[in-house]
Amino acid sequence: DVKVTQSSRYLVKRTGEKVFLECVQDMDHENMFWYRQDPGLGLRLIYFSYDVKMKEKGDIPEGYSVSREKKERFSLILESASTNQTSMYLCASSWRASTEAFFGQGTRLTVV
Amino acid sequence: RKEVEQDPGPFNVPEGATVAFNCTYSNSASQSFFWYRQDCRKEPKLLMSVYSSGNEDGRFTAQLNRASQYISLLIRDSKLSDSATYLCVVNGDNYGQNFVFGPGTRLSVLP
Repeated sequence: DVKVTQSSRYLVKRTGEKVFLECVQDMDHENMFWYRQDPGLGLRLIYFSYDVKMKEKGDIPEGYSVSREKKERFSLILESASTNQTSMYLCASSWRASTEAFFGQGTRLTVV
Repeated sequence: RKEVEQDPGPFNVPEGATVAFNCTYSNSASQSFFWYRQDCRKEPKLLMSVYSSGNEDGRFTAQLNRASQYISLLIRDSKLSDSATYLCVVNGDNYGQNFVFGPGTRLSVLP
């Protein structure tokens, strides 16, 4: 079974802190994604990566950056956390563009 | 217009009922289509891929109409355990490298 693991289930951070969310997949997938999910807004793509060191902006990249130094790991960085970044963050990976995405268990981030 | 739209829901149905979900997408270049299921406070999980010829997996049937840019999911003989939010997903851009999720339709199957 494909496993996508996110480093934390729950996080509480203060406004202005730099926050790192880590995601690791164990199936040698090319593509990795970061989404956030908010009530009434559904899943929105923040960034995705189709190869090591490659990244593409999604629909809502402002306030976020990403890093993919190794194929299995995709990190989401909140440079200076703000309260409007309180959300559920979901990492996903897929083998190719046409194949299904597998999700991690999600990180519920609260910024106070 | 949103890229992927779904029935707003929620759908409240009795056990044993048949329920159908509809989904439309705007990007005619989309090549891959999926239905995901998401339980409350959990991550989305693949329910089934959707193929041009239509496909069935037990009580679940998915259909795709490329000309109308329309996808459907039919659930027969609903079980209590089918209660969840159902997400329609298409691969989104011209490179087909990301996924666009619909807002989801919540289903509650009642005893």
